[in-house]
Amino acid sequence: EAGVAQSPRYKIIEKRQSVAFWCNPISGHATLYWYQQILGQGPKLLIQFQNNGVVDDSQLPKDRFSAERLKGVDSTLKIQPAKLEDSAVYLCASSTWGGMNTEAFFGQGTRLTVV
Amino acid sequence: GQNIDQPTEMTATEGAIVQINCTYQTSGFNGLFWYQQHAGEAPTFLSYNVLDGLEEKGRFSSFLSRSKGYSYLLLKELQMKDSASYLCAARSLSTGFQKLVFGTGTRLLVSP
Repeated sequence: EAGVAQSPRYKIIEKRQSVAFWCNPISGHATLYWYQQILGQGPKLLIQFQNNGVVDDSQLPKDRFSAERLKGVDSTLKIQPAKLEDSAVYLCASSTWGGMNTEAFFGQGTRLTVV
Repeated sequence: GQNIDQPTEMTATEGAIVQINCTYQTSGFNGLFWYQQHAGEAPTFLSYNVLDGLEEKGRFSSFLSRSKGYSYLLLKELQMKDSASYLCAARSLSTGFQKLVFGTGTRLLVSP
């Protein structure tokens, strides 16, 4: 079974530039999460999709961050314009919906450095 | 709201036993997960508890007390490769969807 795919693995941009990250979840997983993980901290949920609908984006800085999941499969997360404090690893995860032990599976992440 | 607390860092010796505690306050609690994350890598699933009690899986065990909002991860026969961050995550059921919130992680350093 293929895992969660993310690209790019690394990205360096200057502040005020734009950047986009891509995620392809595990086939059949209805739930998709984007987390931001700053060095030394735990993952912070930015946005959660159920199929192609947003179910939680309460911690997404909507003035600069946006995300979409067209057709309920792949997802993109965009930052425009980037700030220095956006430097972090952006993790995409997916899980099935319902049931008891529906753990989230993570991709390798995209390490963003804003200079 | 949700709040998850775990120690920032722990050290232990190879071959020893270590217990990593996690306390949580979560409305609509629907399960407690433990993940392992090596430096520069993605978190990987270790264990899941939704009912009170102990779940054992090889060298790793996880315990949950729902009434106390408390969980721990027990690592036995520590190996050097167990040096990693251990993330406690609480799942909650809210308005028809499941939400997974992570603690800040406990960095475990295993020394020879």
